[in-house]
Amino acid sequence: AQSVTQLDSQVPVFEEAPVELRCNYSSSVSVYLFWYVQYPNQGLQLLLKYLSGSTLVKGINGFEAEFNKSQTSFHLRKPSVHISDTAEYFCAVSDQGAGSYQLTFGKGTKLSVIP
Amino acid sequence: DAGITQSPRHKVTETGTPVTLRCHQTENHRYMYWYRQDPGHGLRLIHYSYGVKDTDKGEVSDGYSVSRSKTEDFLLTLESATSSQTSVYFCATLPDRRHYNEQFFGPGTRLTVL
Repeated sequence: AQSVTQLDSQVPVFEEAPVELRCNYSSSVSVYLFWYVQYPNQGLQLLLKYLSGSTLVKGINGFEAEFNKSQTSFHLRKPSVHISDTAEYFCAVSDQGAGSYQLTFGKGTKLSVIP
Repeated sequence: DAGITQSPRHKVTETGTPVTLRCHQTENHRYMYWYRQDPGHGLRLIHYSYGVKDTDKGEVSDGYSVSRSKTEDFLLTLESATSSQTSVYFCATLPDRRHYNEQFFGPGTRLTVL
């Protein structure tokens, strides 16, 4: 069984400041990792994903994440945030085993960008 | 956007009434999922389907049933709605196993049970 822990439920940050949203996962097998973003009153949109290879993954809107297998982490970063980045962010994990096509989500982190 | 629509988008109903939510997709994706989203809980899987007439339970399936008679439609039914089922419900799809479990999400249905 897998689990995902998003360490911060809310993160306020000033506009143009850097931000890091933390995600740790637990799994006994190799995993795929995802970050989704949810803007107010909308569905979820994929921000970026880690499948294999380079541990630094770049996504849309200037976000990037780094996979750290030894620390079982997949933290999301952006060097300079904008007001439009205000949203809820979800980390998700899926194991790579055949026949398992489910995602397990964290509880989400609400990012508030302060002008 | 994988051509996923959900209906209705908003619904208010009373305790004890049956409710059916519909998810419709135009992309011929094989796998479909129903989640509920609640504050402080993130998204939790209710049921999923891996093909027409093939469904299975997720983490929070009690009180819910599903049906998939066509590839494009996945129905979620609350046989007798309760206030604890007030939530936002999301449908998601996955084309096939080659897409590394990257799911595509619909816009959601906000259900209020009074």
